[in-house]
Amino acid sequence: EAGVTQFPSHSVIEKGQTVTLRCDPISGHDNLYWYRRVMGKEIKFLLHFVKESKQDESGMPNNRFLAERTGGTYSTLKVQPAELEDSGVYFCASSQVGATGSPLHFGNGTRLTVT
Amino acid sequence: AQSVSQHNHHVILSEAASLELGCNYSYGGTVNLFWYVQYPGQHLQLLLKYFSGDPLVKGIKGFEAEFIKSKFSFNLRKPSVQWSDTAEYFCAVTEGLNTGFQKLVFGTGTRLLVSP
Repeated sequence: EAGVTQFPSHSVIEKGQTVTLRCDPISGHDNLYWYRRVMGKEIKFLLHFVKESKQDESGMPNNRFLAERTGGTYSTLKVQPAELEDSGVYFCASSQVGATGSPLHFGNGTRLTVT
Repeated sequence: AQSVSQHNHHVILSEAASLELGCNYSYGGTVNLFWYVQYPGQHLQLLLKYFSGDPLVKGIKGFEAEFIKSKFSFNLRKPSVQWSDTAEYFCAVTEGLNTGFQKLVFGTGTRLLVSP
């Protein structure tokens, strides 16, 4: 079974530029989550999709962040325009809907550096 | 808001030493508790989880954790660590009874270095 795939693994951009992160969940996993870890801090929830619908986006920092999951398969997280404080590691995770105790499967993360 | 505290940020042990990593959470209601591990260059993996029942939970690779409700704690233990246990360990919590929905609240992580 292929795991959760994230692309790119690293991205270095300048303040004010736009970056799009991609996540391919495990096939058949309708739950998809985005998390972020700023250096030295805890991993924080950003948002949750069930299929193509946003279930909970309470963790999104501000309107510079836009997440989409068209067709309920892969998801993208766009940051526009990027600011220095957006630097960190962005994790994607997926799980099955309705399976009690279904664990989250995480990707390797995308390390974003904004200079 | 729910929070998770991991008091040890860095731990250095020799092989065969015993390990205990602390984890405390703030929520007073029903919780689900997790330990995740991230080995160097790899993705976060689930070590063990507690939803209900026996408060002593056994996970993979010889790890176990004990849920002590009165202390709001879920400490991770291993009697004898190996060099391959070098990794970062994260305690996490979700609230409520719906274990199919896992909006995790993480602690800041503990970096464990095991010297051979």
